[in-house]
Order: sequence, then C-alpha cells, then structure tokens
Amino acid sequence: GNSVTQMEGPVTLSEEAFLTINCTYTATGYPSLFWYVQYPGEGLQLLLKATKADDKGSNKGFEATYRKETTSFHLEKGSVQVSDSAVYFCALSERSGGGADGLTFGKGTHLIIQP
Amino acid sequence: EAGVAQSPRYKIIEKRQSVAFWCNPISGHATLYWYQQILGQGPKLLIQFQNNGVVDDSQLPKDRFSAERLKGVDSTLKIQPAKLEDSAVYLCASSPQQGLGSPLHFGNGTRLTVT
Repeated sequence: GNSVTQMEGPVTLSEEAFLTINCTYTATGYPSLFWYVQYPGEGLQLLLKATKADDKGSNKGFEATYRKETTSFHLEKGSVQVSDSAVYFCALSERSGGGADGLTFGKGTHLIIQP
Repeated sequence: EAGVAQSPRYKIIEKRQSVAFWCNPISGHATLYWYQQILGQGPKLLIQFQNNGVVDDSQLPKDRFSAERLKGVDSTLKIQPAKLEDSAVYLCASSPQQGLGSPLHFGNGTRLTVT
C-alpha cells in the first residue's frame, strides 16, 4: 500500500534559519503530493501541492519539488519566522479505479522557531 | 465562506458506550472525508463519500464504526461500542470535487477520550 515517511520532530531552529523537512513516499502509481500545516489551535490547511514529476509547489516562502527518481517531496524555506511554528504533514493522494482519492499522511513534524 | 463545522469539540465516554460525531461541510462540496488522528500520528482515512454514496470505506472498522451522509450534505460518524484505542481526534474534511490535487478543507475535529 501507499505510505509516507517524514523526518521525526521536534525540529527547533532560530529565526531566519534555513529549513528542510524531509519527506519520502511509496506509491504504486503516480500520486499527487501535498504539504499540510496545522498551526496551534487551528485545523489542518493545505500549504502547497505538486501533481506530477518535477513540479514545484510553493506558498508563503515554502517550496517543495516532486522528485520521482528519489520518491521525495522535501519541504524547504530559506528564512523561517516565529510564525512558522506549527506541525507539518507530508501527504499523497492516488486515485483508485473506484474514484477513491483519500490522502495518506506522514506522522507529522513539529517545527519550533525560536526568536 | 464558512468552513467545515464539526461538533462536539470534545467528548469523554467510557469503553463500551456509543458516541456520534457530526460534520457540516462547506456548502456545495460534493466530497466528504472522515479521518482518525491518534496522538503523535498523521490522520488516517476512515471513509470517503461522493454526494451521499460511499466511495471508499476500506479502512473503516465496520464491526463498530458506521457513517452516513443522508441527502449528500451533513454527515455523522458513529462508534458503538467504543474501545480504549478509539481515543483520537476525528477530523472531517470536504472538497468541491473528486480529483487529484483538489484541496481538502478540514474542520477543527472532535477530540474523543475513551476511559
């Protein structure tokens, strides 16, 4: 079956540091890839996505590139802010013949940014 | 637009009791999902509806869990009887259409504690 593996947390960085959160996946076909974020006290929300190989998703200064050859979708940001503190989830979606396209999530990475 | 509404926010029950959760998706969203998120893990898909039909319930423990989406709008998820391992946050999400890359909109979830 499909699976997503992401780096364990918590990850603690100083403000303005460079961020990488690693994510690799296993899928039978050609999935779409996502990063979702959960800020304290809020629901999960989509951060960025990529639907085919070599696509780059970007939003709020975050980027991730769909790498089919390494089955990876690492999340990066050049200069993090305290407001980026949250839990980040890597996820994939692969449609089955019956139309099912539910997300498969990784375990989440808790990011803490210190001023 | 109003977000995905879930109730109750919190529920505490004893094992072997029953419990029900309610979800009102974003108006016009045809696809609705229920996820279970156990502490420290990523959300796991329980069931996917397209309008009022079930698309995927392969991961729903059907001996104790049931869900319905009458009239293709609101949905309820029921657990009967509950077990200790059902303690988790139950998330509802909706999407305007099926399709890879369609963003999911999540509610804030119902936190269930089974004692």
